[in-house]
Amino acid sequence: NAGVTQTPKFRILKIGQSMTLQCTQDMNHNYMYWYRQDPGMGLKLIYYSVGAGITDKGEVPNGYNVSRSTTEDFPLRLELAAPSQTSVYFCASRNRDLALEGYTFGSGTRLTVV
Amino acid sequence: KNEVEQSPQNLTAQEGEFITINCSYSVGISALHWLQQHPGGGIVSLFMLSSGKKKHGRLIATINIQEKHSSLHITASHPRDSAVYICAVRSLISSGSARQLTFGSGTQLTVLP
Repeated sequence: NAGVTQTPKFRILKIGQSMTLQCTQDMNHNYMYWYRQDPGMGLKLIYYSVGAGITDKGEVPNGYNVSRSTTEDFPLRLELAAPSQTSVYFCASRNRDLALEGYTFGSGTRLTVV
Repeated sequence: KNEVEQSPQNLTAQEGEFITINCSYSVGISALHWLQQHPGGGIVSLFMLSSGKKKHGRLIATINIQEKHSSLHITASHPRDSAVYICAVRSLISSGSARQLTFGSGTQLTVLP
């Protein structure tokens, strides 16, 4: 009963480095999301996907890339990390069925760029 | 002005008290979610509602669509209820078919023993 699994939980990057935040769900959910959470702010949508092979930008996509080659996996790629990308990142998924729209969140990745 | 406003931002209560957290929004919505973020950071979905009232254990969520307002109540509060409570709405007009959520900034609740 894993739900949404995010790795790693913590990471420190140097400016200019790259990394991939992994997200996997085992609920066969079509919709997957990446959010970032900054202190005192609501979660902001980075990218989302409505199914394998389909991705779209959210509110704050600059500096990030995603792919969705399978239903289960939705990795988030940071190229050329910047201090502004210091944040807590959450992956989430949900069923397409509008009557079952509860979201399931991962446990988060705390990223610090120095 | 943020589309979703929560009040209060911080709330400290004594164990056993009745707690109310408020959420106001400015757009027409199809659904409103209440989420709980634990001190360790994980986020759990508590309620999704589009009208009326829902209850789960000591938690009650209400929504008034006409007034664009929702409340989350906790009865007989306990220190384990200490968490950040987040309100999120799905607007009627939203980009894409995935019906994105707009989040409030959260209410930090601390319940003292």
